[in-house]
Amino acid sequence: GAVVSQHPSRVICKSGTSVKIECRSLDFQATTMFWYRQFPKQSLMLMATSNEGSKATYEQGVEKDKFLINHASLTLSTLTVTSAHPEDSSFYICSARDSGRQANYGYTFGSGTRLTVV
Amino acid sequence: AQSVTQLDSQVPVFEEAPVELRCNYSSSVSVYLFWYVQYPNQGLQLLLKYLSGSTLVKGINGFEAEFNKSQTSFHLRKPSVHISDTAEYFCAVSGAGSYQLTFGKGTKLSVIP
Repeated sequence: GAVVSQHPSRVICKSGTSVKIECRSLDFQATTMFWYRQFPKQSLMLMATSNEGSKATYEQGVEKDKFLINHASLTLSTLTVTSAHPEDSSFYICSARDSGRQANYGYTFGSGTRLTVV
Repeated sequence: AQSVTQLDSQVPVFEEAPVELRCNYSSSVSVYLFWYVQYPNQGLQLLLKYLSGSTLVKGINGFEAEFNKSQTSFHLRKPSVHISDTAEYFCAVSGAGSYQLTFGKGTKLSVIP
């Protein structure tokens, strides 16, 4: 079945540094990937939609200069949290849609990245 | 725009008992409906989905859900739960033709031995 690999699974960084999170579709092509943020005991909040070869579409209230998204290939999207601060600590999850299937066949999610900024 | 309401934030249930996790949605267009399960510190795994056709949908791990258009509901059921079903369950909706999912706030299912 469709697999999405997300790395790293956990990362601790110092305040003011940047962190890159990778999301790879392993056995399918994904022209569209999604990045979510999940606060403790809460639902997933869509941050942005990543489109291969074009700029990402950010949801209202999400700082595009803070959360840089790059989708340079059909199998890889990256999220870079720039100048991280403790309030950026969260669980980040990506998902990918199989471009070869019809709309909403289903999305495959990565295993998530626990970011802790100290 | 779509929205999802999961009426119960926590559901405790004894092992081998049946369970129903409730989900209601609102939308002005036709929808696709999903249930996902999340184990601690992991991503989401698709349990089942409704796109069209039969309103009773069977998924993995013995779960099933029924789409009720008149009640705008998509409740998840399992006739006999196991300890391993302890997890967070999310109902999600997308408008037909849209690629974006809107999630409910989740229901934490705790199976008591």
